[in-house]
Amino acid sequence: DAKTTQPPSMDCAEGRAANLPCNHSTISGNEYVYWYRQIHSQGPQYIIHGLKNNETNEMASLIITEDRKSSTLILPHATLRDTAVYYCIVSADNTDKLIFGTGTGLQVFP
Amino acid sequence: DTGVSQDPRHKITKRGQNVTFRCDPISEHNRLYWYRQTLGQGPEFLTYFQNEAQLEKSRLLSDRFSAERPKGSFSTLEIQRTEQGDSAMYLCASSYQAGGLYEQYFGPGTRLTVT
Repeated sequence: DAKTTQPPSMDCAEGRAANLPCNHSTISGNEYVYWYRQIHSQGPQYIIHGLKNNETNEMASLIITEDRKSSTLILPHATLRDTAVYYCIVSADNTDKLIFGTGTGLQVFP
Repeated sequence: DTGVSQDPRHKITKRGQNVTFRCDPISEHNRLYWYRQTLGQGPEFLTYFQNEAQLEKSRLLSDRFSAERPKGSFSTLEIQRTEQGDSAMYLCASSYQAGGLYEQYFGPGTRLTVT
């Protein structure tokens, strides 16, 4: 699977949008971009995934560049409960395991 | 749907002892995964099952590790002759695979400390 690069940490004011970047320059045509997050002492939680179109759900939006070499996860109105480690993962649709990097630690402050 | 559950949540054992962890996936999920996570790192894949068949094992899974899913429902992960390097969080996840994309649902994990 392709590797991803994420900043180790970011912070964001409560109520503001949190924009978490991810580089995946070696992504293959059949690989999707997944985002999971892990709140302290809990198991990871799925957030969103996409192939090449932008995606939005009740938790977040995913913006994928046209060349698919990078993406941004957007939490539109960050809350203190969004403080977590966010993992960007690229995976083919028939891949059975998730390859996690070290992720981005997002700290939301009041 | 009560989510993925794992038991125990914490386990402290002495080096050389055997330990066994249990994972109960979301009912009707046909795939079950085991991951290991050490401090400051993301989870690392260990193995996964499709129903009762173990389809892939990571090189991380040494001969001291064995996993089973005898009836395609719950799974157990056993570590024999534990070593201090086995100290980690052991995470279980499940998913329903019917072709195409699927998300994995994770349990809260079992934290193992080997003294």
